[in-house]
Amino acid sequence: AIQLTQSPSSLSASVGDRVTITCRAGQGISSSLAWYQQKPGKPPKLLINDVSDLESGVPSRFSGSGSGTDFTLTISSLQPEDFATYYCQQFNTYPLTFGGGTKVEIK
Amino acid sequence: QVQLVHSGAEVKKPGASVKVSCKASGYTFIGYYMHWVRQAPGQGLEWMGWINPHSGDTKYAEKFQGRVTMTRDTSISTVYMELSRLTPDDTAVYYCARSVVCSSSSCYAGFDIWGHGTRVAVSS
Repeated sequence: AIQLTQSPSSLSASVGDRVTITCRAGQGISSSLAWYQQKPGKPPKLLINDVSDLESGVPSRFSGSGSGTDFTLTISSLQPEDFATYYCQQFNTYPLTFGGGTKVEIK
Repeated sequence: QVQLVHSGAEVKKPGASVKVSCKASGYTFIGYYMHWVRQAPGQGLEWMGWINPHSGDTKYAEKFQGRVTMTRDTSISTVYMELSRLTPDDTAVYYCARSVVCSSSSCYAGFDIWGHGTRVAVSS
């Protein structure tokens, strides 16, 4: 299985901060990477598909980049509603796998 | 609107089986694949497999092969996930989630619609 390693596992940030989360794949996954946001007690929400394609309705402060094995999710200016856990997912190879998550907390 | 509605919470004894349902509405049921993903308490996300509602074809994660069965009833736009030989480690929230088509070797997108999940607790 392709392991996805997210870092950091948690971070504290303030409203307005720029936040970057990284996701490293154990082998190349082309552009087959998605990012999700999950709030407590809720299902994950798809933010970004195919590395950098923003889903409809997702604020433009979210962006994704990367290729091959190294990927990033950036929140340009953190808003109160962005405090959540973020997961990356690869859909290039079975079994589909998720990163371990990055919890973004309020500083 | 597009939504996936799960069956209610379950409590099972070790060794039992559980069958969870997920009813789709607001889109063409047979036009999208349906995945099952579980999340143990305080843990991350784990993909279990998918079903093609059009053909009934399935793809299971090797970890669950022999223990999971995914089926569908197109007449009521519902998919089912049955997990047998339950242990306490199967305690989790089980989500269905939709994607565009997958192939025998990969999928082509992430999961754009998720159900609210079914909580399954396994305890003696």
